[in-house]
Amino acid sequence: DAGVTQSPTHLIKTRGQQVTLRCSPISGHKSVSWYQQVLGQGPQFIFQYYEKEERGRGNFPDRFSARQFPNYSSELNVNALLLGDSALYLCASSLALLNTEAFFGQGTRLTVV
Amino acid sequence: QKEVEQDPGPLSVPEGAIVSLNCTYSNSAFQYFMWYRQYSRKGPELLMYTYSSGNKEDGRFTAQVDKSSKYISLFIRDSQPSDSATYLCAPGTYSGGGADGLTFGKGTHLIIQP
Repeated sequence: DAGVTQSPTHLIKTRGQQVTLRCSPISGHKSVSWYQQVLGQGPQFIFQYYEKEERGRGNFPDRFSARQFPNYSSELNVNALLLGDSALYLCASSLALLNTEAFFGQGTRLTVV
Repeated sequence: QKEVEQDPGPLSVPEGAIVSLNCTYSNSAFQYFMWYRQYSRKGPELLMYTYSSGNKEDGRFTAQVDKSSKYISLFIRDSQPSDSATYLCAPGTYSGGGADGLTFGKGTHLIIQP
């Protein structure tokens, strides 16, 4: 059974550009969450989607947005990239809204230059 | 004060030792408590979760929660070199129809010496 898959695995962007990251949850999981992990820190919560609706949002600027599709896959968009957006972006999927047994993908490493 | 605090380490112990990893938190609203293991440049891997105060055991791992002192521990018995990784504690809340996500500590870097 496939786990959480994220694409791309690595990405280099220039300041001011926009980026879209993609996530496919575990089959049967209806909730997808996005986290940002800066080097040396723990992951920080960005968004949680459940049944295609945003159900939670962390303390991130409006440059960050996301959506969930009918097949429960998700995209995270970041506009007007800053150097400080360089991080590992992690997607986690869970069966329901409760985040017990939230399983993470391998992440997308974004470098902004 | 950060919501979740962990000693970043590194914590270095010999193979076969019992490892104790600890975490403190400040938010009384946390209702469940997760432990993840993260190898370098990989996504976090779920080890265990627990809802209540007390102990929960799974193989070589035991998670312990003391809600009265807001203290979380993970014990690893018979530690192996393959256990060398960063261990993240992540309490969570569930509030009605919303979701607050998991709140992660910085993680403790563990090194098991062969």
